Amino acid sequence: QTVVTQEPSFSVSPGGTVTFTCGLSSDSVSASYYPSWFQQTPGQAPRTLIYSTNTRSSGVPDRFSGSILGNKAALTITGAQADDESDYYCVLYMGSGISVFGGGTKLTVL
Amino acid sequence: EVQLVQSGAEVKKPGESLKISCKGSGYIFTSYWIGWVRQMPGKGLEWMGIIQPGDSDTRYSPSFQGQVTISADKSISTAYLQWSSLKASDTAIYYCARGRNTWTEIDFWGQGALVTVSS
Repeated sequence: QTVVTQEPSFSVSPGGTVTFTCGLSSDSVSASYYPSWFQQTPGQAPRTLIYSTNTRSSGVPDRFSGSILGNKAALTITGAQADDESDYYCVLYMGSGISVFGGGTKLTVL
Repeated sequence: EVQLVQSGAEVKKPGESLKISCKGSGYIFTSYWIGWVRQMPGKGLEWMGIIQPGDSDTRYSPSFQGQVTISADKSISTAYLQWSSLKASDTAIYYCARGRNTWTEIDFWGQGALVTVSS
């Protein structure tokens, strides 16, 4: 079974930069996996940040960026703010219409 | 304005059936796939399956195949997620979201629907 891996947690100082990754247990992540990233604060629905590796969803500030770093997809937040404290999830497209979410990364801003 | 409005919270007993809905507005409903995502209490997001409302092409996660049924009625711009026999382990928040290109370009989410299954 395919496992999508994410760091369980990260902390960043206000104004700092943080990069989360999204990997596969059995392969390298490339653009053909169409990685997407979502932000979820407690009690709220997820919000799309990035899709297709590096396309920002409407209204998402440019301090959020997506890329491929080495063999993983990556989400970078530049100039972290207090309200960036959230859970962040990636999803990868496996083909044949099937996608799989990662386990999520909890970001603390302190 | 794009909206995905989900049906309200449900409380059911084990063994009961349930169908929850996701109604799209403000866009051409058949131009986007609708996906369903489960979030169990205190846990992460799980991809359940997607449907293209135009032709009802449906894909399921192996984990959910046979456990739920995804359907859509394009005449009323509504997608559905249904269970024939609920289990306590189905207790979760269920989100719908729209996306282009076999749900690889997801851009808008519903507000979520809490399903509680308890005897």
